[in-house]
Amino acid sequence: EVQLVQSGGVVVKPGGTLRVSCEASGFAFDEKAMHWVRQVPGKGLEWLSSISWDGGTTDYTDSVKGRFTISRDNTKSSLFLQVDSLTFEDTGFYYCAKDTGNLGELSLTLDHWGQGTLVTVSA
Amino acid sequence: DIQMTQSPSSLSAAVGDRVSITCRASQNIDIYLNWYQQKPGKAPKLLIHVASALESGVPSRFSGSGSGTDFTLTISSLQPEDFATYYCQQSYSPPGAFGQGTRLDIK
Repeated sequence: EVQLVQSGGVVVKPGGTLRVSCEASGFAFDEKAMHWVRQVPGKGLEWLSSISWDGGTTDYTDSVKGRFTISRDNTKSSLFLQVDSLTFEDTGFYYCAKDTGNLGELSLTLDHWGQGTLVTVSA
Repeated sequence: DIQMTQSPSSLSAAVGDRVSITCRASQNIDIYLNWYQQKPGKAPKLLIHVASALESGVPSRFSGSGSGTDFTLTISSLQPEDFATYYCQQSYSPPGAFGQGTRLDIK
């Protein structure tokens, strides 16, 4: 069974840094691209970032370039998202998700999702 | 970047109704369009990929159609468990933008 288990919710101060993690099991993690998606409570889904199977290629939506960093550790089947210079607008649920692409392909289709991590930016 | 626009933003319907949700891409995305369902407090669930391919386990009352820039998700006979929010997403090229969502609730 595919499982994506994310780290717990956090409260952070504006200007701070956080790192959200996602531990995968039940599939060949080192063969799949992975993604992060954000959802402000009560609002829609926002695709944030993707990383290739080997970490060699990353993509970001324009609004987070320069502040967000996606990374992975295939030896630990883990995905990470670091967010720098946090603002109130970064408050929301952060989801990791698995790409359906085979043999390292990036399909941008997300077939399994983590449970979400609530990040609250508050002074 | 490709922008996705859904309509309507909300919809009220009764059990047994047939409903359709539309999604428009800002440029040609061929058939690279996914549909997701999200229920309150839960992660999204993939329903349909490449415009019309139903995910395993998704009831056949769900169907998708379209290509190019215009796409439709249809639920042929609404069941109580279908009341949720639905999102389209383009999978043509990064960034994988989502539509703003369509909330489907009970009339």
